Amino acid sequence: EALLVESGGALVQPGRSLRLSCSASGFTFESYAMYWVRQAPGKGLEWVSTISYNSEYIHYADFVKGRFTISRDNAKNSLYLQMDSLSTEDTALYYCTKNGGLYSNSWYYGMDVWGQGTTVTVSS
Amino acid sequence: QSVLTQPPSVSGTPGQRVIISCSGSSSNIGTNTVNWYQHLPQTAPKLLIYGDNQRPSGVPDRFSGSKSGTSASLAITGLQSEDEAAYSCAAWDDTLGSGVFGGGTKLTVL
Repeated sequence: EALLVESGGALVQPGRSLRLSCSASGFTFESYAMYWVRQAPGKGLEWVSTISYNSEYIHYADFVKGRFTISRDNAKNSLYLQMDSLSTEDTALYYCTKNGGLYSNSWYYGMDVWGQGTTVTVSS
Repeated sequence: QSVLTQPPSVSGTPGQRVIISCSGSSSNIGTNTVNWYQHLPQTAPKLLIYGDNQRPSGVPDRFSGSKSGTSASLAITGLQSEDEAAYSCAAWDDTLGSGVFGGGTKLTVL
């Protein structure tokens, strides 16, 4: 069974940094694009970033460009999100998700595996 | 304000058919495929429909997706109490150059 487990969420002050991790198992991690998606309290889901299976394609939502960095280590079956210059608006539950298509970046296949999420709270 | 517009809530009785709408524009739904997610309380979201109308393995055929122009719909037939959840649509937006989600629709089974 494919499984994603996020970690690294915490309470941090505005302007500080945080690094989220996502550990994958049960599938060939190196063959799939991965995403970070977040959900702020009382709000809908929001796409944050995409990284292709081989890290050659990386894409960010405008609201995190220049502040967040997505990366992966296929040898460790792990996905990361480095978050810098955090603001209160970044407070959310952050999900690690997997593209449903082999070697694909296309949204056609949807996000077929989701972690339980890790909570980031930015507050002074 | 979400780029894709969904009704905040819908309701139905057991056995009934309900439809959840998702309205977008030519740069997202009008050009790209739509995915639907089910989000039960205290659980991770689950992919229900991909590619407008394709069901992943394990998703009951009570759930179906369709699209016309710049709008998409999720239909649930034979409504069951366990279907009570939030449902969100999603698509890629070519103009924004980003993935976009609807605000989510809370389904209540009366």
